[in-house]
Amino acid sequence: GAGVSQSPRYKVAKRGQDVALRCDPISGHVSLFWYQQALGQGPEFLTYFQNEAQLDKSGLPSDRFFAERPEGSVSTLKIQRTQQEDSAVYLCASRTNRDTEPRKPNEQFFGPGTRLTVL
Amino acid sequence: GNSVTQMEGPVTLSEEAFLTINCTYTATGYPSLFWYVQYPGEGLQLLLKATKADDKGSNKGFEATYRKETTSFHLEKGSVQVSDSAVYFCALVQANAGGTSYGKLTFGQGTILTVHP
Repeated sequence: GAGVSQSPRYKVAKRGQDVALRCDPISGHVSLFWYQQALGQGPEFLTYFQNEAQLDKSGLPSDRFFAERPEGSVSTLKIQRTQQEDSAVYLCASRTNRDTEPRKPNEQFFGPGTRLTVL
Repeated sequence: GNSVTQMEGPVTLSEEAFLTINCTYTATGYPSLFWYVQYPGEGLQLLLKATKADDKGSNKGFEATYRKETTSFHLEKGSVQVSDSAVYFCALVQANAGGTSYGKLTFGQGTILTVHP
């Protein structure tokens, strides 16, 4: 079946602009994660959803970052008033559910990412 | 807090050479350990994993053994191929008090591997 998809794949924003990044998880996956990957670094956790509930947003770097998943499927990561330090690849991952895929519990499937460049 | 440290790269090898990429971790309890791979132009893919001490994860000729005594999960392959050129990430998931985890991954900084013919 289809994997995790993200759009846009590339986004260039001027400093101060708002951006919205979309993630379409694998159908039926309950859990959804957002990560931020700076150049030359490993991904860092931003936030976690279980269905539509945002259970952990401890990794969001500032109140300019906001994520939502209103119907428990598609998720949007919004960054307001973008700054140059927000330039990174934003990764979305959805996770298998132990109950529905017992042979692959807790495996996260990653999308290709959105590369955000803030000028 | 949790952390993962990988050997600094980049690593450059000739085809059929032996590969080791070191990974050590800091975590409380008994985390699950993973190696992810990112091929050029592609997303992160799970390469292998181990969920308890002394487990060996293996896939595509790669192996890693969960060593609790040394808090390590080194990645090895006996004979690398050009197609193995990629960025490799070691990662962990913290187990919660109940023995399950919602699965937040903590990654190392990544190691770039380049294999020449």
